[in-house]
Amino acid sequence: AQTVTQSQPEMSVQEAETVTLSCTYDTSESNYYLFWYKQPPSRQMILVIRQEAYKQQNATENRFSVNFQKAAKSFSLKISDSQLGDTAMYFCALEGSARQLTFGSGTQLTVLP
Amino acid sequence: DTGVSQDPRHKITKRGQNVTFRCDPISEHNRLYWYRQTLGQGPEFLTYFQNEAQLEKSRLLSNRFSAERPKGSFSTLEIQRTEQGDSAMYLCASSLSGLAGQSDTQYFGPGTRLTVL
Repeated sequence: AQTVTQSQPEMSVQEAETVTLSCTYDTSESNYYLFWYKQPPSRQMILVIRQEAYKQQNATENRFSVNFQKAAKSFSLKISDSQLGDTAMYFCALEGSARQLTFGSGTQLTVLP
Repeated sequence: DTGVSQDPRHKITKRGQNVTFRCDPISEHNRLYWYRQTLGQGPEFLTYFQNEAQLEKSRLLSNRFSAERPKGSFSTLEIQRTEQGDSAMYLCASSLSGLAGQSDTQYFGPGTRLTVL
């Protein structure tokens, strides 16, 4: 069975500052994929960034980057230059060979003006 | 808009009634997924289709739940004899499968919020 754990239910950050959201996971598979999705209030889930487990290089997407530590089974998301529009629930997710996503419980991020 | 669409967006029903939700995936996507999300939690996988074939079903999907994708395009999720515990957001996602063993990004629809009174 696969599990994803997000231990920070809520976080806040000042506009323009940097924040890091934590995620740990467990899987017995060697080939898997990790994702961060964003769910703004009353709006649909949007992909933020993805990481292939076989790639050592950390994925980057504009202001969003990850710190992927495979041995520690850790996959944190760093948001630089936070903007008000980044306020949302952030979910970490794992996809294995079954192709279904296993999600964490989410971190509610609030960007303060 | 060429994203994933779901209908209805909201459904209120009485316990014991049957409800049906529809999902229209992104047009060229051959995989379609259903998830359920309760308040304050992450989505939980229910089932998925590749074209019209239902390839995987979660143990969460009791025998009151049935999903179809008859022509490999839109899908329906039916819940029979609804219970209050069925109240949740039902999310649909679609993807275009690539090479074997490779992930294909799932794109989500806005969801159908079900309230069972």
